[in-house]
Parts: sequence; C-alpha cells; structure tokens
Amino acid sequence: NAGVTQTPKFRVLKTGQSMTLLCAQDMNHEYMYWYRQDPGMGLRLIHYSVGEGTTAKGEVPDGYNVSRLKKQNFLLGLESAAPSQTSVYFCASSYSSVWGTQYFGPGTRLLVL
Amino acid sequence: KNEVEQSPQNLTAQEGEFITINCSYSVGISALHWLQQHPGGGIVSLFMLSSGKKKHGRLIATINIQEKHSSLHITASHPRDSAVYICAVRYNTDKLIFGTGTRLQVFP
Repeated sequence: NAGVTQTPKFRVLKTGQSMTLLCAQDMNHEYMYWYRQDPGMGLRLIHYSVGEGTTAKGEVPDGYNVSRLKKQNFLLGLESAAPSQTSVYFCASSYSSVWGTQYFGPGTRLLVL
Repeated sequence: KNEVEQSPQNLTAQEGEFITINCSYSVGISALHWLQQHPGGGIVSLFMLSSGKKKHGRLIATINIQEKHSSLHITASHPRDSAVYICAVRYNTDKLIFGTGTRLQVFP
C-alpha cells in the first residue's frame, strides 16, 4: 500500500498562474483533508471531504477550490496563485470518522513568485 | 491567540533523558491528537485520546480534562526521536485546531 500520495512534490508558480494538486489514497478512507503549513503557525485546514462527491470549507478556504469525484482522489486547485499561497500543502485521510486518526501525505512545497 | 498552546517551543535533551511536552487548550474538547513531524517533513499520527492515558512503545500520552491539559512523554529518548511534536484538539464545533509544535532535538 502506498498510503497517501501527493503530486507534485515541489512547484514554482508565477502570480496569476493556476495549478492543481493531486492527493490519492489507497486505504479506502471516506474522509480527506487539505492543510497548509506556514512557518510559526500550526497546520490550517483549507477544505475537507466527508465522502465521494462532497466537500466542505475549512479555516482558510479563500483562493482554493477542491473536488472529490472519486473516493480515492482529492484535488486542490489554485485558480490564480498569489504569493500569500506560498506554503507547504499536506493532504490527509481518515477512516473511522471525521477528525479521526489521520494519515498524511508527504507534502507539496509551493512557491509563488 | 492560538486556541492550542504548546510548551516548550524548543527542547534539547541528551540521549536517555525523559522528555515531557505539554499542550493546553481553552474550552471543552471531544478529542486530542498528538502528531510527529519528521525532519524531512512527513507527519505521522501518534495518538488520539479523549480521556486517561495511552502508551505506545516509549511514548506515553496523558490528558486531564478538568485542567484542559495534555502531556506527551518520551522515555529513554533517542536521537531518532528528534522531530517536531504537534498537538491538535477537536472542539465541539467540529474544528480541529493545531498547535505550532515543539521542536525536540536529542543528542547522543
């Protein structure tokens, strides 16, 4: 089992460009999450999903969109990247309940110039 | 002000020492998580608890609901324990709030 994987691992964008981060899990988990991690701050929830076809906003959703068309995939989109979105992005999934024990991906480092 | 406070922010220890990391929160919670972030960036869940105590190997997590406080203990610390340890709490509003982490370095 690969667990939770994220693509890409690192990306540099120019302001205004768009991109999609892909998260995939092979554990048949219902719940998936996107977080961002910035220096000096705790992980912050961007969006989450409680099942295929569902999404919900987290703490810092502005500037991001998500989709969960397949149970195993959770996509995070940046329509028009801004330097404030420079961060490390983590995807996670959980099985038993929303906010249950979470399994994290390796992270995607994004730099917006 | 972060709703989850961890202390200390940084901690250094000699191999073999007993380590304690603290986490305090402000109001009633339904669950508390401890996570470990490796120097390479990967994050692993260590414990999820809502009362009492849990143990896994050399790691022990305790929670005191009345005092709104949790501790993570590491017995017989080892350099491979060097990491950032993160506390996260689930409030009854269904939010999961993360602390800023405690950076632990264990020297041989």
